[in-house]
Amino acid sequence: GENVEQHPSTLSVQEGDSAVIKCTYSDSASNYFPWYKQELGKRPQLIIDIRSNVGEKKDQRIAVTLNKTAKHFSLHITETQPEDSAVYFCAASRSRNDMRFGAGTRLTVKP
Amino acid sequence: DTEVTQTPKHLVMGMTNKKSLKCEQHMGHRAMYWYKQKAKKPPELMFVYSYEKLSINESVPSRFSPECPNSSLLNLHLHALQPEDSALYLCASSQGGGGGWPQHFGDGTRLSIL
Repeated sequence: GENVEQHPSTLSVQEGDSAVIKCTYSDSASNYFPWYKQELGKRPQLIIDIRSNVGEKKDQRIAVTLNKTAKHFSLHITETQPEDSAVYFCAASRSRNDMRFGAGTRLTVKP
Repeated sequence: DTEVTQTPKHLVMGMTNKKSLKCEQHMGHRAMYWYKQKAKKPPELMFVYSYEKLSINESVPSRFSPECPNSSLLNLHLHALQPEDSALYLCASSQGGGGGWPQHFGDGTRLSIL
């Protein structure tokens, strides 16, 4: 089955700096890669996603890049703000819709 | 606003009890999911319903029994649970029944087994 690895497990940045979270996946059949943000005690919320036919996608301060050959994808957050502090999960799924999550990255943005 | 509604928000039950978790969505989504999330861990897929049919069961113990009465409702029936089953149970839905559709999560039911 699919295995998704995520790094780093914790990330601390100063407000205004950029944050990068990286994930790798094992199954070349995976074709959909969402990113979720989960604040303490809250539900996971989709923040951006990318499909395997696209190399990069951007939405305001958030961008995701995908390298299918290397089987890795990354989340980039620019101009970080304290409200960006949360746990971020990458995920990968195939046509069966069996989405697998990475272990998560706890991002702390210091004011 | 949460478009996927889960009830109850909290549930405490003994190991011999029978209870049910409920999930409802009115977005016209055709796939619904149950996930289990332990503290400081990612959500783990349990079941997937696609067009009201069970399409994926991730080798979940039979003490968890899913049910999809219609395209808007998803239940998870619980019986004879173990303390290690204490977790946050998340329901999600997506527009399509195949892969590649964004999944929208509910707020979850926090389950404690005594």
